Amino acid sequence: GEDVEQSLFLSVREGDSSVINCTYTDSSSTYLYWYKQEPGAGLQLLTYIFSNMDMKQDQRLTVLLNKKDKHLSLRIADTQTGDSAIYFCAESISGAGNMLTFGGGTRLMVKP
Amino acid sequence: EPEVTQTPSHQVTQMGQEVILRCVPISNHLYFYWYRQILGQKVEFLVSFYNNEISEKSEIFDDQFSVERPDGSNFTLKIRSTKLEDSAMYFCASSEVGAGYEQYFGPGTRLTVT
Repeated sequence: GEDVEQSLFLSVREGDSSVINCTYTDSSSTYLYWYKQEPGAGLQLLTYIFSNMDMKQDQRLTVLLNKKDKHLSLRIADTQTGDSAIYFCAESISGAGNMLTFGGGTRLMVKP
Repeated sequence: EPEVTQTPSHQVTQMGQEVILRCVPISNHLYFYWYRQILGQKVEFLVSFYNNEISEKSEIFDDQFSVERPDGSNFTLKIRSTKLEDSAMYFCASSEVGAGYEQYFGPGTRLTVT
């Protein structure tokens, strides 16, 4: 079955770039997503990438997809303290009822 | 900006009781979903719903669970006889179209079964 894995924790200094990594196992993934969860809040969709793309940029966010290695990353430029949260990657597979399969989340801590 | 809302934010119930978790999806969305997150574990898919019927469900979504869209705005998840292991955060989501489009999540309902 599908499996999505992420490292548990990342700590960076304010102003630095953050890179959050994710690996997935299902090669038939159609879309890959990044969600952000702040304490006590729901899952906020940050960005997504279609599997035939290598890169997507949206303001401070850059998503890189290496389909051969089944590796997805999210780069946050000029990381701010407000970026401190848990970041989840997720995949969906066309024809699978649109279900998302989530990674365990990476807790990003931004130090001033 | 439109958002998915969920009520209640926290529900405490005794084992064996029925609970109904409520969601109001974004108004022009056609697909609706329930996910859950047991404390310390991954967010897990439960069910997707389109055109007044279930389009996909996971192994977790057994006969104790049901979903309904009782009117034009609400989407509910019912657990018939709650178990201790049903304690989790339950998230509702909706999307405008099917696979590949953004799923927007509500803030969640924390269900505690005692």
